[in-house]
Amino acid sequence: DAKTTQPPSMDCAEGRAANLPCNHSTISGNEYVYWYRQIHSQGPQYIIHGLKNNETNEMASLIITEDRKSSTLILPHATLRDTAVYYCIVRVAGTASKLTFGTGTRLQVTL
Amino acid sequence: ETGVTQTPRHLVMGMTNKKSLKCEQHLGHNAMYWYKQSAKKPLELMFVYNFKEQTENNSVPSRFSPECPNSSHLFLHLHTLQPEDSALYLCASSQAGSDGGTEAFFGQGTRLTVV
Repeated sequence: DAKTTQPPSMDCAEGRAANLPCNHSTISGNEYVYWYRQIHSQGPQYIIHGLKNNETNEMASLIITEDRKSSTLILPHATLRDTAVYYCIVRVAGTASKLTFGTGTRLQVTL
Repeated sequence: ETGVTQTPRHLVMGMTNKKSLKCEQHLGHNAMYWYKQSAKKPLELMFVYNFKEQTENNSVPSRFSPECPNSSHLFLHLHTLQPEDSALYLCASSQAGSDGGTEAFFGQGTRLTVV
């Protein structure tokens, strides 16, 4: 699986959009971009994933560049409950693919 | 509630004890995973099961012994652990498929302390 690079930490004011970047310059054509988050001492929670088109769900939007070498997770109106570590993971399509977690981005949402 | 339930939530055991962690998924998934998360370290994949068959063992010491009796249940049997094995142990499940499958759903984890 391709390696990802994320900033170690970010701050965001409550109510503002949080934009979390991820670089995956060695991504292959059959690899998806997944985002998970982990609130302190809980299990990781799936947020969103995409292959090459931008995606949106009730939690977030995922913007993938045309060359697929980077992506941005957007939380449109961050709340204090969005404070967590956010992981960008590139995953090969196939059977029982494992998730390889990096160190992620620690997002701190403040008043 | 993610559909993946782990028990117990907290466990304290001595180095000579034998204990088991249990994971149950109610999502109809065909793949299950054990992860370990030590303090201030990324999650580490330990074992992968696909259709009840172990497909991956990431050089995990033999004092950790997984068991997958069916596609809904996964156990991690522990014996003669060391204090450095203290960590959060997470179970996950997913539906594996050639289109990338579904996302993985995680349980809340078992916080293990070895004394």
